[in-house]
Amino acid sequence: GENVEQHPSTLSVQEGDSAVIKCTYSDSASNYFPWYKQELGKRPQLIIDIRSNVGEKKDQRIAVTLNKTAKHFSLHITETQPEDSAVYFCAGEDMRFGAGTRLTVKP
Amino acid sequence: GAGVSQTPSNKVTEKGKYVELRCDPISGHTALYWYRQSLGQGPEFLIYFQGTGAADDSGLPNDRFFAVRPEGSVSTLKIQRTERGDSAVYLCASSLGQPNEQFFGPGTRLTVL
Repeated sequence: GENVEQHPSTLSVQEGDSAVIKCTYSDSASNYFPWYKQELGKRPQLIIDIRSNVGEKKDQRIAVTLNKTAKHFSLHITETQPEDSAVYFCAGEDMRFGAGTRLTVKP
Repeated sequence: GAGVSQTPSNKVTEKGKYVELRCDPISGHTALYWYRQSLGQGPEFLIYFQGTGAADDSGLPNDRFFAVRPEGSVSTLKIQRTERGDSAVYLCASSLGQPNEQFFGPGTRLTVL
């Protein structure tokens, strides 16, 4: 399956700062790149996804950027809030997940 | 409408026993996935169904694990001769085609004593 690597594994930011999480993938034919958020004790939920026909997609404070040449895509969260604290996962088109990034937003 | 449901929510079994975990996907979702998640880890892909057929079962760890989806809706994950290392939360997800947004069920927490 698709090999997806995610960095960093942990990220701590102050409330109001931005957070960026990056994933690299191996299959140049991939066309779908989702990001999931999993709060403690809960199920993963999609927060944003992008398809390869666009380079960026935004939804309020969340954005995803895609660089097909370099084979990486990134999650950007602006004006972080304590409720953004969770584990974030990227996935490949074959729906195999990255190892996750634990984001902590300090008030 | 109803989301993805999984039963049981918790299952405790003894080493060597057989277990079945059930997933009811969202009605009309043709794609169904099984994952398992250990504490502090990401969801580990097990198997993906498109309709009734297993389109990708390369994540099943060994031949003790088997899954079916006979009518293209409900799926059952079957684990034979359970081992303590099988203890995890087993997650099911469904989507309208693939690739597309996955909707996850609440999971079944399996504990093998």
